[in-house]
Amino acid sequence: AQSVTQLGSHVSVSEGALVLLRCNYSSSVPPYLFWYVQYPNQGLQLLLKYTTGATLVKGINGFEAEFKKSETSFHLTKPSAHMSDAAEYFCAVTQYSSASKIIFGSGTRLSIRP
Amino acid sequence: DTAVSQTPKYLVTQMGNDKSIKCEQNLGHDTMYWYKQDSKKFLKIMFSYNNKELIINETVPNRFSPKSPDKAHLNLHINSLELGDSAVYFCASSQTLAAITDTQYFGPGTRLTVL
Repeated sequence: AQSVTQLGSHVSVSEGALVLLRCNYSSSVPPYLFWYVQYPNQGLQLLLKYTTGATLVKGINGFEAEFKKSETSFHLTKPSAHMSDAAEYFCAVTQYSSASKIIFGSGTRLSIRP
Repeated sequence: DTAVSQTPKYLVTQMGNDKSIKCEQNLGHDTMYWYKQDSKKFLKIMFSYNNKELIINETVPNRFSPKSPDKAHLNLHINSLELGDSAVYFCASSQTLAAITDTQYFGPGTRLTVL
């Protein structure tokens, strides 16, 4: 069975500081990994995804994530936080044989301090 | 121009009632989904439909019945509502079933409160 674990339900950083949101996955087959963002009172929006190929994936709004198989991790980073980045972030996983089924983590709320 | 829309946005009702949530997508996608997000923000898939055909039914109580009259609509009907049904329900759609390649687009959610 697949799963993702997001370390830290709440992360707070200062504006301009590095953002690091942690995600570890568990999968018996090659995983396909996603990061979604949910702004207040809105639905989820895809930030980026890893399928195959380059392990460093760039997404929207300056975010990127690196797939590290040896560490079973897919951490999300952004060099410089902006106030508009405040939101809930979800890591998710699927596998080729699961068709449309995506398994989501429990989410990490990112707060930005002025 | 909303890609995936849901109605109503908020729904407050009494235990035991029957209610429906409607979802429409104007993206021309073949696949639609219902997700439930609980009070701890945990998001879990409930159903997926492809070309009006049920693909995923994630051990959801049979009080929940999705209906897809056409590819652009996927409605969720809930019978005999219980307190534990209180959550935010999200509709989503994607071009095909392939989660790996096709982005899922989410609606704004319907916050259901059962009293």
